[in-house]
This record gives sequence, C-alpha cells and structure tokens, in this order.
Amino acid sequence: DQQVKQNSPSLSVQEGRISILNCDYTNSMFDYFLWYKKYPAEGPTFLISISSIKDKNEDGRFTVFLNKSAKHLSLHIVPSQPGDSAVYFCAANRATWEGAQKLVFGQGTRLTINP
Amino acid sequence: DVKVTQSSRYLVKRTGEKVFLECVQDMDHENMFWYRQDPGLGLRLIYFSYDVKMKEKGDIPEGYSVSREKKERFSLILESASTNQTSMYLCASKTEDGLYGYTFGSGTRLTVV
Repeated sequence: DQQVKQNSPSLSVQEGRISILNCDYTNSMFDYFLWYKKYPAEGPTFLISISSIKDKNEDGRFTVFLNKSAKHLSLHIVPSQPGDSAVYFCAANRATWEGAQKLVFGQGTRLTINP
Repeated sequence: DVKVTQSSRYLVKRTGEKVFLECVQDMDHENMFWYRQDPGLGLRLIYFSYDVKMKEKGDIPEGYSVSREKKERFSLILESASTNQTSMYLCASKTEDGLYGYTFGSGTRLTVV
C-alpha cells in the first residue's frame, strides 16, 4: 500500500510564480516529513523538513505546510526559478520495531519552471 | 560533507547473473539503506542496515540480499537477476541519531537483458 502519495506526476509553473507541490499520507504514526529534490543522474538531496508537531517550516524560498487532520503536506516555492526544475519527493519518517528510523517516499512530482 | 559513493553509474547484466552493487560512505554512519526508483512508484526501500552485520528487510526485499561486513560498505546482491529488476538503485546513509535527512549516492542504473 502506498502510505505516502503524490498525486500529481508533473507540474509546470512560470518563472517568478509560486510552485505548490502536494503530498498525502495515510499513517498517523509518521513523526517527521521531508522533501527531497532530484536532478537527473544524481541522487536525491534533502531540501526541507517539518516535525509532526509543527504546521509550518520556512527556509528561504521554500516553505512546507503540514495539516495533520487532513494528513496532507505541501511545499511552496516562491519565487520559482529555472534551477528549481527537478523531481520532488515527499518522504515520511517512521520508527521500526527495532528502533531504527526509515523513510517512506512518495512517487515524486516533476516540476518544470518555464522562463 | 558526507559522501556516499556507488561504484557503478551504469550496469548491463544478463538474466540469471548474480549482480553486486557496492556502496561506500565516508562519515562513519551507522545506518545504510538501499532503495530502487521506478517511474510512478517513487523510491522503495529494499533493505537497510543499522549496524555492521545487521540487516533488515525493507518493503520489497524479494530477489535481493545484502551484506555489511564493514561499517562503511553496504552491498546489494541480486541473486539471479531478472528483467523486472531493471531500475535505478540508490544507496543512502545517515547517523543513528540523525533522524532526518539521508545522504544519497548518485545511483546505479541497472539494466537486465
């Protein structure tokens, strides 16, 4: 079962405008959420995260919002720049019975910023 | 910065071959992970290891095994490669108390023919 879902495979945004990427999850035991950015032929790189006890975290042009009651989070990029064109993965952290921490990823959303 | 190095960027193997994918990290991280990335499915966890010689199955371990003889090295083994194992394989590591934020390697694109 897909515990973390990104329902939009792709998104196209004009340069300078706001990009909003969405993510839904089903497991209420997730305690932390992260966004990763991936360029072709490279591994994902960490972008921004939010604890389940918060509802907003901001880092420069990037803001992540968490709505726990709706089990939904979103990433806002303002203003969007051509270098933001990449695949964005939403991920959720869960603890295993062994005490380890594991990330569960969504399917990814390909963001294209048009000049 | 932590560096996670995957030994091969591209591999082409034949069906039935035994395949080894190697991953090395240079920052003494306890935890290491193997994911595969497929279009429309995102990243799915195959196996992970939280200590030397310790391993746990992830969400899709079938057809794979792993080896962690040294802390810095985590190997993914395809016992008998099949065409449905054609994928991008990503290795990651993190510290035990670094709950969030994995460091990923650049990936190995494996094609099984």
